[in-house]
Amino acid sequence: AQSVTQLGSHVSVSEGALVLLRCNYSSSVPPYLFWYVQYPNQGLQLLLKYTSAATLVKGINGFEAEFKKSETSFHLTKPSAHMSDAAEYFCAVTSYNNNDMRFGAGTRLTVKP
Amino acid sequence: SQTIHQWPATLVQPVGSPLSLECTVEGTSNPNLYWYRQAAGRGLQLLFYSVGIGQISSEVPQNLSASRPQDRQFILSSKKLLLSDSGFYLCAWTSGGNQPQHFGDGTRLSIL
Repeated sequence: AQSVTQLGSHVSVSEGALVLLRCNYSSSVPPYLFWYVQYPNQGLQLLLKYTSAATLVKGINGFEAEFKKSETSFHLTKPSAHMSDAAEYFCAVTSYNNNDMRFGAGTRLTVKP
Repeated sequence: SQTIHQWPATLVQPVGSPLSLECTVEGTSNPNLYWYRQAAGRGLQLLFYSVGIGQISSEVPQNLSASRPQDRQFILSSKKLLLSDSGFYLCAWTSGGNQPQHFGDGTRLSIL
C-alpha cells in the first residue's frame, strides 16, 4: 500500500522567506508524486508532478520539488513566499497501475507580512 | 480542453433528508472518477471511485452511495443524511495510470 506523510500541519513564514513543506512517501513500487494547492472553499489545483523523469520538478507559481529516493522524500520549496501563497498544500502518491491516489493530511501555509 | 463541473456549490439539508450531488466531465472519454470528502481541518477521504460505467468501488462503508449512469457523469447519493455527513465534497477525474487527478470546485454540505 502507498501512503504519504506531511510533516507539520501548519507552517508559518514571513513574506519573502523560503517556503519548505515536507512530504515523505511509502511505496513498494515506483511512485508518482504530486503536490496540490487548495484555497478556501475551492477544489485542489495541481502545482507539480513527478513521474520518473527529472528528479527536480518545477511547477506553477514558482514552486519546485525534488524527488529523493534515498530519503523517500518529495519536499516542496519556493525561494520567496508571497502573501498569495497562503493556502493548504497536499502531497499525493500513486503508481502506474493504481486506480486511486493517496493524499497526505495537508499543510496549512500562513504568510506573515 | 477538459473541464469538470460539480453542483450545487453549497447545500443545506436537514437530518434524514436525501442527497444527490452531481459531477460531470467534459472533453475526455472513459475517465476514472472519484468522490472525496474533506471534513473541517482534515485531509481528503476517498469515498468512491469508478473506472467505467456502472463500476463503483467503495472505500469506506457508510450511508452514502455512488452511481455512474453515463461515461462522464458521477453521482453521490444518500437516502437519509446524518449530521456526520457534513463536509466539503470533491469530485475528481483522471485519465488513469500515473496521471494527476483534476478536481471540481466542490460542494459545501451542511446538515442541520
